[in-house]
Parts: sequence; structure tokens; C-alpha cells
Amino acid sequence: DGGITQSPKYLFRKEGQNVTLSCEQNLNHDAMYWYRQDPGQGLRLIYYSQIVNDFQKGDIAEGYSVSREKKESFPLTVTSAQKNPTAFYLCASSSRTSGDGYDTQYFGPGTRLTVL
Amino acid sequence: AQSVAQPEDQVNVAEGNPLTVKCTYSVSGNPYLFWYVQYPNRGLQFLLKYITGDNLVKGSYGFEAEFNKSQTSFHLKKPSALVSDSALYFCAVRPLFSGGYNKLIFGAGTRLAVHP
Repeated sequence: DGGITQSPKYLFRKEGQNVTLSCEQNLNHDAMYWYRQDPGQGLRLIYYSQIVNDFQKGDIAEGYSVSREKKESFPLTVTSAQKNPTAFYLCASSSRTSGDGYDTQYFGPGTRLTVL
Repeated sequence: AQSVAQPEDQVNVAEGNPLTVKCTYSVSGNPYLFWYVQYPNRGLQFLLKYITGDNLVKGSYGFEAEFNKSQTSFHLKKPSALVSDSALYFCAVRPLFSGGYNKLIFGAGTRLAVHP
């Protein structure tokens, strides 16, 4: 899991609550990503950010929000508008290398969110 | 539509036997190809990637993968399986033209079970 930390490891949310998942990296990577993992499915991209103060919606952004105020941090808020938030959430980061564009994505340990 | 297929939900192998986890893809151009492994309640760990060059790529923990352009496949292999290799394996593809960001398309995952 390298230099990417996610907290908390487990999170429980009541209906109607907003919750924020933390993601921090000390790899000096420019780009950061949030994915959602559900059983039997591949990872689906929620949001991504290529530089500080900029972020873009991924494939399933509805009901989620993010910010990128610092290079090392990319928190994800799961809002009450997300109707089915119970899932495993993974944060990733990658550097920009010459020629290749962006390099390999490296992942954090994940946060398991459960709605009560 | 661009997609990645891992046709086997589960692969069962006896310890010491060779293993293969299959991956095929459908994307335009020459994509970058990746394999990740996930242990229970953990993030994804990078195993190996193919960008260009030799079709046989060697990665971590004795794993290797063979790129076959004509069959659009990138199968993961290991000559001698260990019980500790039991985990969930994901194939991912980065299309060459990915809309200006480091887009990864994931397969649904294959669970590898290595029996003593």
C-alpha cells in the first residue's frame, strides 16, 4: 500500500448523513483518484484530480464530492444524495512521467463504508 | 464500448502447479496493460504492466504476463503456485487515448484459490 494512507478503515453512516473519507499520499504524485468497489464488479472511478485545485467527475460521481486543496490530500465526501453508498472505497495516485504521460496508479488500503 | 473481460470468476490450482489467470480486452489502439492483486480488506497491489517491447513481462512475486496483440489478451501466469498467492486478481487497461487523463478500465476480478 506504500505511501498512501486512507482513514478510517471502517466507517458507519446513518441514513441522511454526509461522511468524509480521507486520502493522503507522500509520494509527491500529481494525480489522485477515488474508486468504488462492489462485490463481483471491477473498480469504478468516482472522481479524479490531475493537479491541485482541479478535479473532474469520473463514471459514477453522482452523490459524491471532492476537494484538492493540497497536492498530498484528496478527501471524498459521500453525501446523503448517494442512494447506495455501502461499498469499499479505494484511493489511488500516480505521477506524471515523460513520454508515458501518467505512470502506474498505486492504491491505498481502502475504507469500508456501511450504511446502517 | 471499451471493456476488459476476466472470463473466470474463480481459478483453482494445486500448490506447486502452474497457474494462469485470463484477461482479454476491447479497446482501440495499443493500450497499456496492468495486473493488480488484492488481499482481503486491503487495497490493490501493483504486480506488473506492459507498455511496449517484449511480449512477456515479469513482475513481482514471480508473476509474469504475456501480451498477445492478435488475441487482445494479457494473461497472468506463474510457473509454481503458492498457497499465499490466493487472492483476488484484477486486470486493467489504459487506453492509448483516454481523454487526457490516466483512465484505467478494470475487469471484474478473478479469485485465485491455491490448495495445499
